[in-house]
Amino acid sequence: EIVLTQSPGTLSLSPGERATLSCRASQTVSSTYLGWYQQKPGQAPRLLIYGTSSRATGIPDRFSGSGSGTDFTLTISGLEPEDFAIYYCQQYGSSPPFTFGPGTKVDFK
Amino acid sequence: DVQLVESGGGLVQPGGSLRLSCAASGFTFNNYYMNWVRQAPGKGLEWVAYISSRSSTIYYANSVKGRFTISRDNAKNSLYLQMNSLRADDTAIYYCAREGSGEFPDFWGQGTLVTVSS
Repeated sequence: EIVLTQSPGTLSLSPGERATLSCRASQTVSSTYLGWYQQKPGQAPRLLIYGTSSRATGIPDRFSGSGSGTDFTLTISGLEPEDFAIYYCQQYGSSPPFTFGPGTKVDFK
Repeated sequence: DVQLVESGGGLVQPGGSLRLSCAASGFTFNNYYMNWVRQAPGKGLEWVAYISSRSSTIYYANSVKGRFTISRDNAKNSLYLQMNSLRADDTAIYYCAREGSGEFPDFWGQGTLVTVSS
């Protein structure tokens, strides 16, 4: 089973600042199979990024993904008030079980 | 509009069974692979099960293997999760999710709450 670790656990930032979230895998994950989700309280998760760096439909371009091998990054360039949420990475489609990371909470500084 | 509506959640005693349903609309259900994902109260996301469009490929999380069964009825545009031998740690919101964009779960229902308690 591929274990995903996310850091930091909590990121305290102000609107307009840049957020850099990390996702590390216990073994190599093909870039095709790494994605990121955003979840707000009381809501279902929303797909942001698939295939490491492709934005899902309707996702603004301030969200970007990068990485390879075991290290992946989600960057939010210029936080908007609606971006304060929990972010999860997931490896999906290659090696079941399709595990999630524990999440990074982006909250107001 | 794409819609996924889960139902069937509720309170069940440890050792009991429950069957969840997910009604799909707004897209050609039989073209899409589907998943169940759960979230315990205040916790992170846990992928539970996956089924291909014609049910030929099925995967489970280790934590539910042998207890849960995923299935679908393409004629009824419905996804199911049969849950047996339920335990307290199965308490969670259960989401169904469609595999779409880039072959990732791109659309999720609002979830149904399962509580396992005596």
